[in-house]
Amino acid sequence: EVQLEESGGGLVQPGGSLRLSCAASGFTFSNYAMNWVRQAPGKGLEWISGISGSGDTTFYADSVRGRFTISRDNSRDTLHLQMNSLRAEDAAVYYCAKGTFAVVVVGTQYNRLDPWGQGTLVTVSS
Amino acid sequence: DIQMTQSPLSLSASVGDRVTITCRASQTISSYLNWYQQKPGRAPKLLIYAASNLQSGVPSRFSGSGSGTDFTLTISSLQPEDFATYYCQHSYTALPFTFGQGTRLDIK
Repeated sequence: EVQLEESGGGLVQPGGSLRLSCAASGFTFSNYAMNWVRQAPGKGLEWISGISGSGDTTFYADSVRGRFTISRDNSRDTLHLQMNSLRAEDAAVYYCAKGTFAVVVVGTQYNRLDPWGQGTLVTVSS
Repeated sequence: DIQMTQSPLSLSASVGDRVTITCRASQTISSYLNWYQQKPGRAPKLLIYAASNLQSGVPSRFSGSGSGTDFTLTISSLQPEDFATYYCQHSYTALPFTFGQGTRLDIK
């Protein structure tokens, strides 16, 4: 069974940093792109970052580019999100989600996010 | 960015009802469209991919249709466990992968 489990969330002050992790199991981790999606309290879903299976290609939403860094350790089947210069508007539940292919963007309609982890809550407050 | 617009944003229905949710893309996205279900306090769950393909394990009362810019998610006969929020998401070759605002489906 494919499983994803996030960790690393918590309370951080504005301007601070936090590193999220997503432990994967049940599939060959290096063969699949991975993504981070967040959901602010009471709000909708926002895709924020994706990384290829090899880790050599990364993508970011404008809202986090330059502040967040996605990475992966394929030897440990773990995905990371380093979040710097955190703002109040970054407060959210952060989900990791498995892609369908080895690359984030692919020219087929069969690309989807499945499954998702249970999420980890990030609170940004002084 | 490609904008995804869902309607309605909220909907009240009864068990046994047929329900349709609409999603419109701001530009053509062929069939690069996925639907997710999210229950309170839970992670989203994939229901439909590539506009009309039912994810394994999802009940057949769920169906999706559409292509280009206009898409629909239909639940043929609502069950108690279907009351949730539903999101569309494009997977077109133009990041970011944006989601619709969500449609909250409540019990009437």
